[in-house]
Amino acid sequence: EAQVTQNPRYLITVTGKKLTVTCSQNMNHEYMSWYRQDPGLGLRQIYYSMNVEVTDKGDVPEGYKVSRKEKRNFPLILESPSPNQTSLYFCASSPTRTTTNEKLFFGSGTQLSVL
Amino acid sequence: EDQVTQSPEALRLQEGESSSLNCSYTVSGLRGLFWYRQDPGKGPEFLFTLYSAGEEKEKERLKATLTKKESFLHITAPKPEDSATYLCAVHLFNNYGQNFVFGPGTRLSVLP
Repeated sequence: EAQVTQNPRYLITVTGKKLTVTCSQNMNHEYMSWYRQDPGLGLRQIYYSMNVEVTDKGDVPEGYKVSRKEKRNFPLILESPSPNQTSLYFCASSPTRTTTNEKLFFGSGTQLSVL
Repeated sequence: EDQVTQSPEALRLQEGESSSLNCSYTVSGLRGLFWYRQDPGKGPEFLFTLYSAGEEKEKERLKATLTKKESFLHITAPKPEDSATYLCAVHLFNNYGQNFVFGPGTRLSVLP
């Protein structure tokens, strides 16, 4: 089944403890992206990747890191999480790296709580 | 600044009561407007893409329309299973990659 898989679904951690949220897609998509979703603010882009080894900042990149060593994986790293990073996170992918109108395929989300 | 707003924030309908959701945008260069449906605890799922003013797309009880400044999602004779949050997003021109700006969503509840 074609899908975007995120893990974990739920994560509770403490301030400053490094964590990684994994994202994997099995559709051979070139484009991948991370979003956070907060009440009243909608989905905001954190980082995106046009292809392997090519990443760039979205609208809210502070406090996050990403890597794209393989086409299928795009992990989100929080080196020193803070309470303001408590949010619902979504990974998304789309087929091409061109700026055409490709729809996004989303994972099921990771609910992160930073205490 | 590129901005997308949606109204109403929440909408409660009786089954069969038709209505419309609004998505308004002020952006510098629109490549397309997307509608997604999001169920609780799940990621958004694609519904429609509209590319130019005057375009319309339909899927079952849903019809999306686009003008130069806004889009409407019309829901005809809704059923309880249409209850979800509906998100619109604009796809923008830029020099370095895909940039989608999402609205905050409209939370729709359809009561039996």
